[in-house]
Amino acid sequence: DIQMTQSPSSLPASLGDRVTMTCRASQDIGNYLRWFQQKPGKSPRLMIYGATNLAAGVPSRFSGSRSGSDYSLTISSLESEDMSDYYCLQSKESPFTFGSGTKLEIK
Amino acid sequence: QVQLKESGPVLVQASETLSLTCTVSGFSLTNYGVIWVRQPPGKGLELMGIIWRNGNTEYNSALKSRLSINRDTSKSQVFLKMNSLQTDDTAIYYCTDVQLVYWGQGVMVTVSS
Repeated sequence: DIQMTQSPSSLPASLGDRVTMTCRASQDIGNYLRWFQQKPGKSPRLMIYGATNLAAGVPSRFSGSRSGSDYSLTISSLESEDMSDYYCLQSKESPFTFGSGTKLEIK
Repeated sequence: QVQLKESGPVLVQASETLSLTCTVSGFSLTNYGVIWVRQPPGKGLELMGIIWRNGNTEYNSALKSRLSINRDTSKSQVFLKMNSLQTDDTAIYYCTDVQLVYWGQGVMVTVSS
């Protein structure tokens, strides 16, 4: 199975900060990369698909990018509602695989 | 609108078999696949398996020997069965559409020793 290495596991940040988290794929996945947000007690929410495309209803402060086998999720100006867990997922090859998650928390 | 809902027992004994149902509405299982995902308490997401719109299935390598997923298209239901449960199978179990846009609320399953 394709392995997704996600970092950092914890990301302390302040409101208004620009933050970035990254996933690295163990083999080529093209742009078959999704990002999810998960708040405590809630189901995951799709934020980014195709590595760079914003899902419906997602604020424009979120963006996705790719550099080689590294995929990043960036929040341009952190708001309190963004404090959540974030997961990447590769959907290039079945079975799809998740990264281990990044916990975004207030510094 | 698209909805998915998981149902099944909340408490299962170790060594027994877990049976869960995902009932979907707003789309046909012959047009879209369904994925099962689980999440142990305080831990990350794990994709368990997929049933594609043609009925083919694919499973997480680590669970393949214990897991089966099938469906009843006439009832818009997808079924997960996993045998030889252990306490580390305690988790919230979610079903989601194959695009991972629409998710059920999840069902918390506790495996008791």
